[in-house]
Amino acid sequence: ILNVEQSPQSLHVQEGDSTNFTCSFPSSNFYALHWYRWETAKSPEALFVMTLNGDEKKKGRISATLNTKEGYSYLYIKGSQPEDSATYLCAFMGAAGNKLTFGGGTRVLVKP
Amino acid sequence: EPEVTQTPSHQVTQMGQEVILRCVPISNHLYFYWYRQILGQKVEFLVSFYNNEISEKSEIFDDQFSVERPDGSNFTLKIRSTKLEDSAMYFCASTSTGGGLMNTEAFFGQGTRLTVV
Repeated sequence: ILNVEQSPQSLHVQEGDSTNFTCSFPSSNFYALHWYRWETAKSPEALFVMTLNGDEKKKGRISATLNTKEGYSYLYIKGSQPEDSATYLCAFMGAAGNKLTFGGGTRVLVKP
Repeated sequence: EPEVTQTPSHQVTQMGQEVILRCVPISNHLYFYWYRQILGQKVEFLVSFYNNEISEKSEIFDDQFSVERPDGSNFTLKIRSTKLEDSAMYFCASTSTGGGLMNTEAFFGQGTRLTVV
């Protein structure tokens, strides 16, 4: 059974502050690590697909890093805005097949 | 912008009844998936579908479940005899390339919330 964990489960951030949270995943048989942003009543929306150790990706104020040797990825939000409030899901793809194993998500609430 | 659409958004059914959840993936996509999230738990993989057949399924996807792509556009999940524990949000997803999830993100629908009473 693959174990993909995210921490913290939730966090409150003041508008303008920066924050980050973690996804840990198996370090063996790694193929890809996905990040999704999921707002209530909407579709989960892809942020990043990361495949190489040391990858850093950025989309606006959101960025992510990847360490496949130790099995973790960080997601950073710089200068948080209320519209960043969402659940952020990471998902691991391994050698087991073309499917994603999800973490439990980090629920971010940005307070004005 | 192309999107994955799911219907209905919410379905309530009695235990033992059959339900069909419907999805229209993005038109030029090749891989199709169903995932579900039971309230308070992680999103979990059910089944993947490629080239008009199941390519992979999880332990959850037992004989009560089936999928088909009847007309080249719709992708359906059928649960033959629903149980209380089938209550969950069911998500359809699709990906565009032959490399699947290693090269590209999955595009998800908004989900169908299934409540079995």
